[in-house]
Amino acid sequence: DAGVTQSPTHLIKTRGQHVTLRCSPISGHKSVSWYQQVLGQGPQFIFQYYEKEERGRGNFPDRFSARQFPNYSSELNVNALLLGDSALYLCASSRRGASTDTQYFGPGTRLTVL
Amino acid sequence: QQPVQSPQAVILREGEDAVINCSSSKALYSVHWYRQKHGEAPVFLMILLKGGEQKGHDKISASFNEKKQQSSLYLTASQLSYSGTYFCGTESSSSNTGKLIFGQGTTLQVKP
Repeated sequence: DAGVTQSPTHLIKTRGQHVTLRCSPISGHKSVSWYQQVLGQGPQFIFQYYEKEERGRGNFPDRFSARQFPNYSSELNVNALLLGDSALYLCASSRRGASTDTQYFGPGTRLTVL
Repeated sequence: QQPVQSPQAVILREGEDAVINCSSSKALYSVHWYRQKHGEAPVFLMILLKGGEQKGHDKISASFNEKKQQSSLYLTASQLSYSGTYFCGTESSSSNTGKLIFGQGTTLQVKP
């Protein structure tokens, strides 16, 4: 079975622009979580979606938004990009998003904001 | 509250053992361990639930001390492939938000 896939792999944007990142979960998984990983640090939770509903939100500004589609794929949108948004954005999928579920990470999207 | 991992970095020779600790100031419901190699996604190692259970596969095992709010990852007879950064991700309740709070990571380097 294919693992979690993310697109694009790399992205370069300038300050003030908007970006959309995409994630396809493992087949059969209904929950997707988004994390931001700055170089040298652990992943930081942004959102979790389950069955198209937002179930959890981390401490990120309203410039960050996400949604989940009927096929369980997901998009992360970031508006008005800042230099500090440069990071690796990871998507993780799990069966139900439960505390006992394993979250499997995708390869990530490397975003550079100039 | 971000869990604290120790040590920050460790260098081993092949065949040596290592222990990585993850401590939280909050009561924990679950602890998830991952290994991440440079430029790659974190790879799941194991999950532990409150109750003080211990898990393991091959030469990697982990324990969860609910009273101390601490988990430890044990790497025995280390191999070159064990090199990478190890993260613990913690969840403080069974609220099923899938919100893992990760530590800052422990970098492990195994030398021949």
